[in-house]
Amino acid sequence: NAGVTQTPKFRILKIGQSMTLQCTQDMNHNYMYWYRQDPGMGLKLIYYSVGAGITDKGEVPNGYNVSRSTTEDFPLRLELAAPSQTSVYFCASSKQEYNEQFFGPGTRLTVL
Amino acid sequence: ILNVEQSPQSLHVQEGDSTNFTCSFPSSNFYALHWYRWETAKSPEALFVMTLNGDEKKKGRISATLNTKEGYSYLYIKGSQPEDSATYLCALSAGNNRKLIWGLGTSLAVNP
Repeated sequence: NAGVTQTPKFRILKIGQSMTLQCTQDMNHNYMYWYRQDPGMGLKLIYYSVGAGITDKGEVPNGYNVSRSTTEDFPLRLELAAPSQTSVYFCASSKQEYNEQFFGPGTRLTVL
Repeated sequence: ILNVEQSPQSLHVQEGDSTNFTCSFPSSNFYALHWYRWETAKSPEALFVMTLNGDEKKKGRISATLNTKEGYSYLYIKGSQPEDSATYLCALSAGNNRKLIWGLGTSLAVNP
């Protein structure tokens, strides 16, 4: 099993550009999550999904969108990148909501 | 608003020392308490998921205890090794909304 994979690993965007962060898991997990991690701050939940076709907002959803068309994939979309979205983004999955979460390697995004 | 606090914020110990950290959380509507290890330049990895008051879990030299009535969990590392150097995160699942609320972590540095 590859576990949770994320692409790209690094990306630099200009203000106003858009991009999609990809996340795929091969563990047949129902639950998937997107977090951002900023220096000195804990992991903040952006969006999550409890299964294909179902998504919901987390603590910090503004400026992001997600979709979950399959069990495996949970892409995160930034439509109009802003400097405040400079962060490290982690995708995670779990079998059930209270089970341990498995994390991808992260995407380091810089918006200039 | 649920708040998870970890102490100390950082810790430096010598190889061979035993150490422990604390995770404090509101005790109402408790569901589960997670511990993760996060090494620099890697992703968080789950250590324990604890659900029962009085629960004790062990993995090698690392163990954890849980007190849901008073709202705290301890993580212990016996005979610290340099490879134990990492940030140790705890996360709380509580209430109807069971998504994890993350602490800021305890950063451990073990000097050889």
